[in-house]
Amino acid sequence: NAGVTQTPKFQVLKTGQSMTLQCAQDMNHEYMSWYRQDPGMGLRLIHYSVGAGITDQGEVPNGYNVSRSTTEDFPLRLLSAAPSQTSVYFCASSQGYGYTFGSGTRLTVV
Amino acid sequence: AQRVTQPEKLLSVFKGAPVELKCNYSYSGSPELFWYVQYSRQRLQLLLRHISRESIKGFTADLNKGETSFHLKKPFAQEEDSAMYYCALSGGETSGSRLTFGEGTQLTVNP
Repeated sequence: NAGVTQTPKFQVLKTGQSMTLQCAQDMNHEYMSWYRQDPGMGLRLIHYSVGAGITDQGEVPNGYNVSRSTTEDFPLRLLSAAPSQTSVYFCASSQGYGYTFGSGTRLTVV
Repeated sequence: AQRVTQPEKLLSVFKGAPVELKCNYSYSGSPELFWYVQYSRQRLQLLLRHISRESIKGFTADLNKGETSFHLKKPFAQEEDSAMYYCALSGGETSGSRLTFGEGTQLTVNP
């Protein structure tokens, strides 16, 4: 049972490049979400999904897109990377109130 | 709107000393409160849920609705408790499983 798997673990992008952060869970959880973690700001919700085909914006959605074509996968797309998107990104899934987090993706935009 | 505040960004104590990490929240309904812990460069792990009223690794937390607080306490800190601690709130059925996190408190337990 792998839980929540995020890839890649590290990534460096140039300003303006696009990329997709992958997130997959094998627990059949309906709820999935993406957070970014920045020093002194805690974790802020980017986008979330309550089930396949349903997504919604969180607290800081600008510059990011998501889709949820299957229960297992919830990729996060950066459309045109900016230095302000340098952060650590965590994916999480939940069935009820217990969250399971991925190990994170450390993204640097130069 | 739901909001979580952790007033202390950094907290340093000596081994064996009591420790209290503060958490205050604002929410108009009946919230579910949690504490998550993140050890150095690891993923976040659930430490406590207020509804389970359990003690994990010697930590306890009591929900005080009058003061809208959910402080995390441990009577005797250990060096392995050094980590980042996040308080989090879920609005329950009205907001699904959406979690709002506080800013985090970095706890350092010195030998």
